[in-house]
Amino acid sequence: QVQLVQSGAEVKKPGASVKVSCKVSGDTVTKLYIHWVRLAPEKGLECMATLDREGDKYYARRFQGRVTLTADTSTDTAYMELSSLTSEDTAVYYCATHSVDPTILTYWGPGTLVAVSS
Amino acid sequence: SYVLTQPPSVSVAPGQTARVPCGGDNIGAKSVHWYRRKPGQAPLLVVHDDSDRPSGIPERFSGSNSGNTATLTISSVEAGDEADYYCQVWHTSSDQPHVVFGGGTKLTVL
Repeated sequence: QVQLVQSGAEVKKPGASVKVSCKVSGDTVTKLYIHWVRLAPEKGLECMATLDREGDKYYARRFQGRVTLTADTSTDTAYMELSSLTSEDTAVYYCATHSVDPTILTYWGPGTLVAVSS
Repeated sequence: SYVLTQPPSVSVAPGQTARVPCGGDNIGAKSVHWYRRKPGQAPLLVVHDDSDRPSGIPERFSGSNSGNTATLTISSVEAGDEADYYCQVWHTSSDQPHVVFGGGTKLTVL
């Protein structure tokens, strides 16, 4: 059973960056696809980016250039950094991963609230 | 990019059957997964691979997928089923993440 633990809520100014962590237990980041999904107020779920088990990264077109995925294999922690924040980036950010099939988001972190306000 | 279309809302009386559609171009050729999200909670997988249920999900939850529409069906709807429901597919492309969600449907239990 995989468990995902995310970093705490953040409040940021417009133009700043935020880095959210996702610690994996029950497996290792080198064996998993880690997806980063956000839920903005009055909006739906949106997959921003995916880190696959080979270390390849896939970024949604509208976030390209602003989002960076990394992973620390020594601590089995994945990171998502989003730069040039605006109020539109106020959202709950989730990391999610799979059981056997990487196309199915079986396990979710609890979410990290990022609020962007001047 | 691949687009999944869901109605913003579906309403149903307790005990009745709710059907949540998810439209996409030839979606029947893809595997569709469904998630329930309640306020303040992380999404929960309720149906995967069109019609399979994860362990712990009641038999009241089922799914189908054919042509251009996949459907999540919840029978004998209970008040606790009120939530947002999202369909999801894996779209293979070289220039975007492979996870695609529908816009979500708010299920209201009358």
